Amino acid sequence: EIVLTQSPGTLVLPPGERATLSCRSSQSVSGNYVAWYQRTPGQAPRLLIYGASRRATGIPDRFSGSGSGTDFNFTISRLEPEDSAVYYCQQYGTSPWTFGQGTKVEIK
Amino acid sequence: EVQLLESGGGLVQPGGSLRLSCTASGFTFSSYAINWVRQAPGKGLEWVSAIGGSGADTWYGDSVKGRFTISRDNSRNTVYLQMNSLRAEDTAIYYCARDLSRYNSGCFDFWGQGTLVTVSS
Repeated sequence: EIVLTQSPGTLVLPPGERATLSCRSSQSVSGNYVAWYQRTPGQAPRLLIYGASRRATGIPDRFSGSGSGTDFNFTISRLEPEDSAVYYCQQYGTSPWTFGQGTKVEIK
Repeated sequence: EVQLLESGGGLVQPGGSLRLSCTASGFTFSSYAINWVRQAPGKGLEWVSAIGGSGADTWYGDSVKGRFTISRDNSRNTVYLQMNSLRAEDTAIYYCARDLSRYNSGCFDFWGQGTLVTVSS
């Protein structure tokens, strides 16, 4: 199965800053089928990005995704306090679908 | 508003069985595949199983194949996960998640809050 490695493990940034998260795959992701999810405590996970760069419905344009092959990035252009969460990448190009271990973003 | 509500979690002994339910509202249920994804304590997310919109097609992760069975009742807007021969490593929060499509595309646009399953003697 495809292994996804996310970095960094934790990111601590002040409000208004830019956050860039990385997701590296153990093999090329078919169709660049990579998604990014946000999970805040007590909330259901939320789809932010799919197809590596497409924003899900209702997601603000300060969230963006990029990349292809084995290297993918997720960016929050201007951090807001409510962006404190764990972010997961996922590949859905090859079954079984797999997730990265997550990057925790703290806004301080 | 799309909503998914899991139920049926609890404490069960190793080797035992449990049935989880995921009840949906706010969309045409039969038009979407539904998945189960779990997260064990201190571990990452793991895709468990999926069922197509009609219920005719099912998919399973290797770790649960032969032990778990997914099914759906479109008249009740509900998906079930029958879990047999449970092991300690099945302890996790189980989430149901709606697929982007009628089939198992593998991308999940709405998730429930999860239900906790604990396998312990």
